[in-house]
Amino acid sequence: DAKTTQPPSMDCAEGRAANLPCNHSTISGNEYVYWYRQIHSQGPQYIIHGLKNNETNEMASLIITEDRKSSTLILPHATLRDTAVYYCIVYSYNTDKLIFGTGTRLQVFP
Amino acid sequence: KAGVTQTPRYLIKTRGQQVTLSCSPISGHRSVSWYQQTPGQGLQFLFEYFSETQRNKGNFPGRFSGRQFSNSRSEMNVSTLELGDSALYLCASSPLAGRSGNTIYFGEGSWLTVV
Repeated sequence: DAKTTQPPSMDCAEGRAANLPCNHSTISGNEYVYWYRQIHSQGPQYIIHGLKNNETNEMASLIITEDRKSSTLILPHATLRDTAVYYCIVYSYNTDKLIFGTGTRLQVFP
Repeated sequence: KAGVTQTPRYLIKTRGQQVTLSCSPISGHRSVSWYQQTPGQGLQFLFEYFSETQRNKGNFPGRFSGRQFSNSRSEMNVSTLELGDSALYLCASSPLAGRSGNTIYFGEGSWLTVV
C-alpha cells in the first residue's frame, strides 16, 4: 500500500493560507490522492481528491507534484472552523480501500 | 441531497452483548464501507459492500460482520462485545466500488461504549 507521511501538527493564523504537505513517494500511477478532515471526532469530511493535475473546489486546492510523490492541500483563507485533523490518503488498488494515516492536526489561531 | 445517515449515534452495551449499527448511504450510492476509529489504532477498514455482496474485508475477527440490502442500506453487527470494541464506527458511501477516483463520503458515526 502507498504510505503517506504528514507532519503531526501545524499552526496557521486566521485569514492566512494554510499549506498542508503530504509525502506519498510509493504511489502508483493510477492511484488517487484524497484529503479528508475530521473535527472533534465527527465523521471525516471529504475535501478534495486528484490524480495528477492540480484541483480546486470551493473548500481547497490540491497541488500534486509532477512526479506525484508529494502533494499540498491549500486552504486559501483559514478560519477558526478549519481547526481539525487533516488526512492525506492514497486509495490503494492493492487492497482496494482508503488507508488512513495519523494525519496533521491543524490549529488555526486568531 | 441527504448525506450518509448512521443510527444510532450513541449507545452503551455490556460485555458479551451484541450490537447492530445501521447506515443509509447517499441516494444513488451503491457502495458502503465501514471503518472503526479508536484513539490507539486510528481509522481502520472493516469491510465494504457493493450490490449486497461483500467485496473487501479488513483484519478484524469474525465477531464483526455486515450485510447490505437491496436498497443499498447496510448494517454491521458485532457479537460477544469486548471492552476493546469501544470505538467510533463510521460508514462511508460512494457511487461505485473499487474505483480509485470515486468521491467517498462519510457519515457522522456511531459511538459505541462497551462497559
